[in-house]
Amino acid sequence: DQQVKQNSPSLSVQEGRISILNCDYTNSMFDYFLWYKKYPAEGPTFLISISSIKDKNEDGRFTVFLNKSAKHLSLHIVPSQPGDSAVYFCAASGNSGGSNYKLTFGKGTLLTVNP
Amino acid sequence: GAGVSQSPSNKVTEKGKDVELRCDPISGHTALYWYRQSLGQGLEFLIYFQGNSAPDKSGLPSDRFSAERTGGSVSTLTIQRTQQEDSAVYLCASSEGASGGYEQYFGPGTRLTVT
Repeated sequence: DQQVKQNSPSLSVQEGRISILNCDYTNSMFDYFLWYKKYPAEGPTFLISISSIKDKNEDGRFTVFLNKSAKHLSLHIVPSQPGDSAVYFCAASGNSGGSNYKLTFGKGTLLTVNP
Repeated sequence: GAGVSQSPSNKVTEKGKDVELRCDPISGHTALYWYRQSLGQGLEFLIYFQGNSAPDKSGLPSDRFSAERTGGSVSTLTIQRTQQEDSAVYLCASSEGASGGYEQYFGPGTRLTVT
């Protein structure tokens, strides 16, 4: 039972345009959401997060939107750059049984930004 | 400062052999996590250590898997009698604290191949 779903395995965009990566979750106990970026042969690196008390968090070119009623979040990258090409993982944690440190990850979306 | 390091970076072993994977967390981080990523899957939580508290082993897939953390720092993940389905990238992460609001910093991972 996959609690965090990234339904698009890949996404290709042109440099300078907006990239929108989507994530859906099923567990209503999740209250903290994160996006990680992963280059080949490297570990994931933290990108941006959002608490369930907010619906938007922005950091430079990266914005995460949270729609709790739809159990959906998205990551917007604008403008997209070739260096943004990587696998993006959506992750969630929640205070379920006191284990709010445990991250549940989606399968990732491979973003390719074409020059 | 130094990030999370893991060794070896790659390990090929024969089915039935035991393997040990090592993780050196960021100095001062009290929380340490092990995840694994099988082909085409997201990261799967395995085990969590926080200070001197009993570890959360709820993600370990079988009793062939065990982990320890010595002196609140270095951790070793041991897989006994390896099986082909154990082939995956094993990732270690550490964080300053234990709650879901603390960013987890990942190492580069150990790619385990069981032949």
